[in-house]
Amino acid sequence: ETGVTQSPTHLIKTRGQQVTLRCSSQSGHNTVSWYQQALGQGPQFIFQYYREEENGRGNFPPRFSGLQFPNYSSELNVNALELDDSALYLCASSLEDNEQFFGPGTRLTVL
Amino acid sequence: DAKTTQPNSMESNEEEPVHLPCNHSTISGTDYIHWYRQLPSQGPEYVIHGLTSNVNNRMASLAIAEDRKSSTLILHRATLRDAAVYYCILRDHRDDKIIFGKGTRLHILP
Repeated sequence: ETGVTQSPTHLIKTRGQQVTLRCSSQSGHNTVSWYQQALGQGPQFIFQYYREEENGRGNFPPRFSGLQFPNYSSELNVNALELDDSALYLCASSLEDNEQFFGPGTRLTVL
Repeated sequence: DAKTTQPNSMESNEEEPVHLPCNHSTISGTDYIHWYRQLPSQGPEYVIHGLTSNVNNRMASLAIAEDRKSSTLILHRATLRDAAVYYCILRDHRDDKIIFGKGTRLHILP
């Protein structure tokens, strides 16, 4: 059984740029959730995808968007990057609303 | 969203039991109590969850107060690898998202 993987592990961008982060779900999981974790804080829910449709969204602006593909892998896109977007971005997969399994995260630095 | 209150940090000696408290006085009848932990440089991992009765698994035990307004995560014999941030979370069974607080940073002393 393959766990949740994320790419890249680290990324540096400049303010105003766009970024795409990728997540491969654990085998058999059809639901993907994305979280943002600032330094010293707990993860904050961004949104969730279930069977390729957005299934819930946290308090994040529209420049945070996502996709889920037929194989249930997922992307998080962030446009017009701001300095405060610097964080660890976590992806978690689950089967329906069962327990979520987290990936190791992508560390994004915005300069 | 219902909220939880946890101590910012705790210390324990290696090979001793650890009791991590969590208060959730505004818990509703449909909220499950979940615990996740986050080891350094890793994503959170599921530890245990329960509704009303105490729960045991290979990682830990969860003791839930009779009024459900508090709970305690019990690590029976702490090891250095248990040093992590432990999050107590209320999760409505109808809601898919997880609302994390700041958690308790557990330090294990050798």
